[in-house]
Order: sequence, then structure tokens, then C-alpha cells
Amino acid sequence: DQQVKQNSPSLSVQEGRISILNCDYTNSMFDYFLWYKKYPAEGPTFLISISSIKDKNEDGRFTVFLNKSAKHLSLHIVPSQPGDSAVYFCAPMKTSYDKVIFGPGTSLSVIP
Amino acid sequence: SQTIHQWPATLVQPVGSPLSLECTVEGTSNPNLYWYRQAAGRGLQLLFYSVGIGQISSEVPQNLSASRPQDRQFILSSKKLLLSDSGFYLCAWSGGRPYSPLHFGNGTRLTVT
Repeated sequence: DQQVKQNSPSLSVQEGRISILNCDYTNSMFDYFLWYKKYPAEGPTFLISISSIKDKNEDGRFTVFLNKSAKHLSLHIVPSQPGDSAVYFCAPMKTSYDKVIFGPGTSLSVIP
Repeated sequence: SQTIHQWPATLVQPVGSPLSLECTVEGTSNPNLYWYRQAAGRGLQLLFYSVGIGQISSEVPQNLSASRPQDRQFILSSKKLLLSDSGFYLCAWSGGRPYSPLHFGNGTRLTVT
């Protein structure tokens, strides 16, 4: 069931530069999208979300962009910091659908 | 505030032994509850979710089972563990409202030997 894809298993970025993490989905019924961040040996934590009625949502250094026609979203982190090194998961949701699935994740390494 | 407790943090079990992982949530009522597994180098696989007491939806047919005996208690079980059951097990809850983010416990590292 490959409803959610994150085609970059890993990404390495210099501190201070921009990190761009991508997510693609296939189910057009998804209408809300969340990003989670996970450190090793810990549970994921919610980072930022976007509704399908928007194409951009910004929270501090984190911005999520949504292209509904392409079924694609991306998470931008600017400027990247070493503490951002973690695995990032995207998780699409839809109304009245309690099941929550996650993409395979992208491991981000921010190099000092 | 709401908190989620998951235990034990680590567990080493022999093949063929039973399993019981427990998760409890405090500070909220009627949450949606979830069990996920992260195998080594893999993503988060949804195993079970529950929208109410006694209501369990299974996503992956395998030798694991889940139960929700109380509103804020979610238990993951197995009668006989397999080597392939090794992984990082995560319990999560959400508010049950549309689009509510999931809140995860700290996980249980299970090694089946």
C-alpha cells in the first residue's frame, strides 16, 4: 500500500542552508497533511500541518507547501540547524478516516 | 495536560514466548488509540487502531493482537513471538476530532532472540 511516498531516504545539508523534504501521495481524498519529526529511540512529534484549502503554511523556520494537482507536498527548513537532524515523516489525513498512515520517512542530517 | 505512558522501554524475549505491551493515556477521554511498529531502517507501520472500547481495527494480518479493555488503555499482545516481530513499537493517541495530530509514547524496543 504505497499511498504515501518519500522518495529520498536520506538528505544531508550544511548548517544554515535550506533543507527540502518531499512527499508524494496517490489518494486524492486526502485533505489534510501533517509532518512529524522523530529522533532515535523516541516517538515522533508533530511538527507542522497544512489543509488542502491552502498551498502554504509557515511556522518559524518551517514552511510546508502543498501542490494538490501534483499530489505533492514539501517541507522547507530555513535555516537548517544541527538539532534538526532527525527522521521526518509526512502523514496525510482525511475527514472521518481514523486510520493514520505515514510515509517511509526521510533522514535529515544537518552538518555543522 | 495529556500524557501517554508506554512500557516497558526495552524488552528481550525468546522466540515462541508471549508478549504484552501496555499503553495508557491520561488527561483525555475517548481518544483514538494506535499501535505502530518501526522495523530497523524502515518507516512506521500501522498495526492496530481503536476508536472506542472494544473496537479494534487490524491493519496487518500477523500473530499480534490488540485489545482496549478500558477507554484509555491499549494493549498489544502475542501468544508466540517470531524473530520478525523485533522492532520499535509505538503507541499513540489522538483527540478523535478530524485532523487531530497523533501524540506518541516513547516506544518499546523489542528484541526477539
